[in-house]
Amino acid sequence: QSVLTQPPSASGTPGQRVTISCSGSSSNIGSDYVYWYQHLPGTAPKLLIYRDNQRPSGVPDRFSGSKSGTSASLAISGLRSEDEADYYCAAWDDSLSVGVFGGGTKLTVL
Amino acid sequence: QVQLVQSGSELKKPGASVKVSCKASGYSFVTYTMNWVRQAPGQGLEWMGYINTKTGNPTYAPGFTGRFVFSLDTSVTTAYLQISSLKAEDTAVYYCARAIGMVRFDYWGQGTVVTVSS
Repeated sequence: QSVLTQPPSASGTPGQRVTISCSGSSSNIGSDYVYWYQHLPGTAPKLLIYRDNQRPSGVPDRFSGSKSGTSASLAISGLRSEDEADYYCAAWDDSLSVGVFGGGTKLTVL
Repeated sequence: QVQLVQSGSELKKPGASVKVSCKASGYSFVTYTMNWVRQAPGQGLEWMGYINTKTGNPTYAPGFTGRFVFSLDTSVTTAYLQISSLKAEDTAVYYCARAIGMVRFDYWGQGTVVTVSS
């Protein structure tokens, strides 16, 4: 059972916009930044979003992050086949003093 | 450019030990913490903890105390993860990841597969 809750799966067709949610609590998302990672099988995870809504250099602006209270979302617009991957949210938990990941969401591009 | 290169796959028997290395290059090694993240088969990412590369002080997540040891050799800009008394449930891919702050992992190693089987 992950501290951060994500839906196990999401799907969309090419060109569509999809969102992935991440629900936490006042000790993690509610008090610290949220980070999003993209993980393709057999490769290293990749930082997509940092500090709730900032994109590292090289990440397309099709990816965006938002946060409200103790929940966060990752939105992917103009969905492409290469976006098919697992997506994880992460945050620091002040109560547990640990880094925590969501359980991951497998995105399928139909 | 920044690179984290990990050692190769390991096949170990239960009760043995394993040491995974993570060679860093392309940046000032002591400027960033080095974190370790585990992904067990069919499971998600799990933060194991980190080591302060300036002081060598490790911090372990609950569940990764006792048999897990983070260490450094700053002379060769390499971080290590040692796991002793291996169990079947330690079978996983282990990643090292450079961090800015606490969970902002901007560069990752390619992962090391550790398989524990008799």
